[in-house]
Amino acid sequence: ETGVTQSPTHLIKTRGQQVTLRCSSQSGHNTVSWYQQALGQGPQFIFQYYREEENGRGNFPPRFSGLQFPNYSSELNVNALELDDSALYLCASNRGGEGYGYTFGSGTRLTVV
Amino acid sequence: RKEVEQDPGPFNVPEGATVAFNCTYSNSASQSFFWYRQDCRKEPKLLMSVYSSGNEDGRFTAQLNRASQYISLLIRDSKLSDSATYLCVVSLNSGNTPLVFGKGTRLSVIA
Repeated sequence: ETGVTQSPTHLIKTRGQQVTLRCSSQSGHNTVSWYQQALGQGPQFIFQYYREEENGRGNFPPRFSGLQFPNYSSELNVNALELDDSALYLCASNRGGEGYGYTFGSGTRLTVV
Repeated sequence: RKEVEQDPGPFNVPEGATVAFNCTYSNSASQSFFWYRQDCRKEPKLLMSVYSSGNEDGRFTAQLNRASQYISLLIRDSKLSDSATYLCVVSLNSGNTPLVFGKGTRLSVIA
């Protein structure tokens, strides 16, 4: 059973709206990463947080933003939703310094209509 | 050129068959290599790390060729439960660097 939980599991939004996705990491995991997986594609790195600071970002526009909280939970915010934002959003955490130790949550499936 | 490229698939094989997946990566600075398995509508799960010396875990064998920037996964005696998408993944190092995923190769094992 995964130690990373995400909410909600499914979400339907309208183009132009804003959405917040949440992730609760495993205790002691101070690094959290977010990935976007479009249908038929591999996950794409959005950004990463380490001790509440963003320390890496993929090729995503600024309307994708995030936060990490002291209790190891985190949020992914997406503004001005577009149809192409429809995807599975995955949160992954690790203790830091252990790249092979990523644990993925089961994801949030976002549909933009 | 994509950072990680995999066989397009899908692979449809009978039970008991041996199947091999290939993967190439473009960034020669990559240091960590993995195979992940993803079941339909589920999250990716680590299948195995890949080491330069090659490594085996039961029916699964992974190989890495750094000179060719090539990674492989061999599954022997395929089971119905092996049906999934297999993702080739690389990372710059074993620290806090993001994972770079291939598109994945879908495997269907048929009775």
